[in-house]
Amino acid sequence: EPEVTQTPSHQVTQMGQEVILRCVPISNHLYFYWYRQILGQKVEFLVSFYNNEISEKSEIFDDQFSVERPDGSNFTLKIRSTKLEDSAMYFCASTLGTANSPLHFGNGTRLTVT
Amino acid sequence: AQTVTQSQPEMSVQEAETVTLSCTYDTSESDYYLFWYKQPPSRQMILVIRQEAYKQQNATENRFSVNFQKAAKSFSLKISDSQLGDAAMYFCAYTPIETSGSRLTFGEGTQLTVNP
Repeated sequence: EPEVTQTPSHQVTQMGQEVILRCVPISNHLYFYWYRQILGQKVEFLVSFYNNEISEKSEIFDDQFSVERPDGSNFTLKIRSTKLEDSAMYFCASTLGTANSPLHFGNGTRLTVT
Repeated sequence: AQTVTQSQPEMSVQEAETVTLSCTYDTSESDYYLFWYKQPPSRQMILVIRQEAYKQQNATENRFSVNFQKAAKSFSLKISDSQLGDAAMYFCAYTPIETSGSRLTFGEGTQLTVNP
């Protein structure tokens, strides 16, 4: 069964550094998402992406965040200047977008900002 | 705004017994999907079961079933014949149907422990 792939599984970075989290969604899917889960808390929506542009974003997704689908297969989340509070598990997800198409999650990238 | 509430931060069950996890939600939409996701210690998000709001019949997937009460905006998950591998964090989630690819709103989660 096809799956969403995220790399790396764990990323450690210093405060103020830029970080790029990478995702390869399922190939025929049309909608892509990033979610965040701070340790011990609920999963929170960050951004959705469709037709090469952001379709919706949450209040968490400020100017420090950006997303890109550079080559038709990868879907990236960039954090320009990381803060300690950005430490979290970041999940990529994709869906075909039809009524019966479920959301498929990747295994997540654990980001640790020191 | 839609909200999802799980009032049980932790639950425990004996192996082979049945446990019910609670979830309530608030929405003004009439058509939507509800989900239960399982998150084991590996922190992967695994879809357990899905319910369409326009279907009156409760969804079932093997040992997992839901009790969907639309008027009460309640969506509980019943796990029968609990197994050690069921131990995980369980999240209830909601998405409206009105547009394709709508985002999920998650509850706070319930940590389920299965005792041998």
